[in-house]
Amino acid sequence: KNQVEQSPQSLIILEGKNCTLQCNYTVSPFSNLRWYKQDTGRGPVSLTIMTFSENTKSNGRYTATLDADTKQSSLHITASQLSDSASYICVVSGRKAAGNKLTFGGGTRVLVKP
Amino acid sequence: DAGVTQSPTHLIKTRGQQVTLRCSPKSGHDTVSWYQQALGQGPQFIFQYYEEEERQRGNFPDRFSGHQFPNYSSELNVNALLLGDSALYLCASSLGADGGSYEQYFGPGTRLTVT
Repeated sequence: KNQVEQSPQSLIILEGKNCTLQCNYTVSPFSNLRWYKQDTGRGPVSLTIMTFSENTKSNGRYTATLDADTKQSSLHITASQLSDSASYICVVSGRKAAGNKLTFGGGTRVLVKP
Repeated sequence: DAGVTQSPTHLIKTRGQQVTLRCSPKSGHDTVSWYQQALGQGPQFIFQYYEEEERQRGNFPDRFSGHQFPNYSSELNVNALLLGDSALYLCASSLGADGGSYEQYFGPGTRLTVT
């Protein structure tokens, strides 16, 4: 069964500090992995999307890594800001044999405190 | 360039009633996917529409149905509402039926509350 597990479920960090979120998946065959930021009550907004051949991608203060061999990804937030408070969702897409569906993780809720 | 829009923003219904949610995809997109997101959970895939047909479906009962119009906009219908249907319903649009390969853009969602 295709699954995406994220950790931690939630974390609290002080403004200006860095943090790293983890994502493990079992989706196979793999097509791409995406990280989304979702503010409370709003739709998810894409941060990064990585294919099999990419092992790192940055979007401003957000840097995602991918190890397709171990089926792990991380999202690193540098110099956190209050506006980074949100849920971060890891989404994995399978290729046609996996049904082309997106499999969502449960998300990591990040709270940045001043 | 218009993004994905959804209506209404919020909705309150009673158990047993029926509801219709609407979505207009991002300009240039032809594929619409619908998701249900319970509070504190990740989105769950309901179904995807392309060329006015349902192309893929998640593990949702037949009470959940949809439609796509020639202008690519889409509706999600839920019959015989249950308390457990209370959730944020998200619409995402993309280009092409191969939704796994193309970037999906999400709308702001419709918050449905069933009492």
